[in-house]
Amino acid sequence: DAKTTQPTSMDCAEGRAANLPCNHSTISGNEYVYWYRQIHSQGPQYIIHGLKNNETNEMASLIITEDRKSSTLILPHATLRDTAVYYCIAGPQDAGNMLTFGGGTRLMVKP
Amino acid sequence: GAGVSQSPRYKVAKRGQDVALRCDPISGHVSLFWYQQALGQGPEFLTYFQNEAQLDKSGLPSDRFFAERPEGSVSTLKIQRTQQEDSAVYLCASSLVAGTGNTIYFGEGSWLTVV
Repeated sequence: DAKTTQPTSMDCAEGRAANLPCNHSTISGNEYVYWYRQIHSQGPQYIIHGLKNNETNEMASLIITEDRKSSTLILPHATLRDTAVYYCIAGPQDAGNMLTFGGGTRLMVKP
Repeated sequence: GAGVSQSPRYKVAKRGQDVALRCDPISGHVSLFWYQQALGQGPEFLTYFQNEAQLDKSGLPSDRFFAERPEGSVSTLKIQRTQQEDSAVYLCASSLVAGTGNTIYFGEGSWLTVV
């Protein structure tokens, strides 16, 4: 799996957009970019994933650069409940969907 | 419930004791994963099943760790002769079908403390 690099922590004001960056410069052509988050004392929760096109769902938007070496997860209107550790993972579609988690970004949404 | 269910939620074991952690995946999910998460770190892969077949156990840290899924649904992670370094959250996850880019759904974990 490609290694990903994320900032250790970020702060965001409640109601503002949270933009979480991720570098995955060694990503290969068949590897997806997955985002999960983990709220304290809970299991990781799927947010979104994409291959090369930008994606949007009810939780977030995923912007992938054209060269696929980096991406940004956007939470358009962050709430206090979005405080969590956010994991960016680059992994293959096959191999059983086994995901390799890194350290993630600890997002703190402040009132 | 509709999600991945794990039990026990919390377990305190004396060093040397054997423990068994149970996972009920989402009904119909083919793939099942076990992860270990130490305090302050991201989850680390332990093992993977597709139906009853254990296809990857490369992440199991020692031969004291054993996982099974005999009927392709419920899975048990067993840790023999527990040691303090085994203290962690053990996460189970499942997905519908392998190889489709489908999402993985996690349970809330079993918190193991070895004293």
